Amino acid sequence: KQEVTQIPAALSVPEGENLVLNCSFTDSAIYNLQWFRQDPGKGLTSLLLIQSSQREQTSGRLNASLDKSSGRSTLYIAASQPGDSATYLCAVEGTGANNLFFGTGTRLTVIP
Amino acid sequence: ETGVTQTPRHLVMGMTNKKSLKCEQHLGHNAMYWYKQSAKKPLELMFVYSLEERVENNSVPSRFSPECPNSSHLFLHLHTLQPEDSALYLCASSQAGGGEQYFGPGTRLTVT
Repeated sequence: KQEVTQIPAALSVPEGENLVLNCSFTDSAIYNLQWFRQDPGKGLTSLLLIQSSQREQTSGRLNASLDKSSGRSTLYIAASQPGDSATYLCAVEGTGANNLFFGTGTRLTVIP
Repeated sequence: ETGVTQTPRHLVMGMTNKKSLKCEQHLGHNAMYWYKQSAKKPLELMFVYSLEERVENNSVPSRFSPECPNSSHLFLHLHTLQPEDSALYLCASSQAGGGEQYFGPGTRLTVT
């Protein structure tokens, strides 16, 4: 069964810093990988989706990379802002489709 | 309304009650999902409906009963729940066959 791990579990940075969140998965036979943001008590907001054939995706200050062979993905956030404070979740979709496996998330706090 | 909506947003129920959670998507998708999010655990996929047929049922206790009357609506019927069923229940939708999932805001369920 696919297992997804996110490190660190929590991270605090001062405003303006660049940061990297890590995600690893045990089964490299994936269909895609998604990064989500979750604010406290709220649902998930999709940030970026990387297809298995892609190496990276960018949206604004966010850049996600995928190394399928090593089972790793990173989410790079440039010039962090207090509004970026949230829990960031990584999820991989297996090749059977319809089955999304989530990590436990990294709780990010950006200090003004 | 746009996106994925869920009602109610909060629900408190006793162990002998029967209640239902509702999800509606306005994205033209044809696959819908129920997830459970408990504290300090990864999101757990409960049920998947694709083209209005249930395609996944991840060993969920029978006290949870899903219903998908059409591709835009998904229900989760609850009866004789246990306190450990208290969690955030999230609905999502996507195109059938896999792809980016869009989540609703969730229903915070407390079982007393």
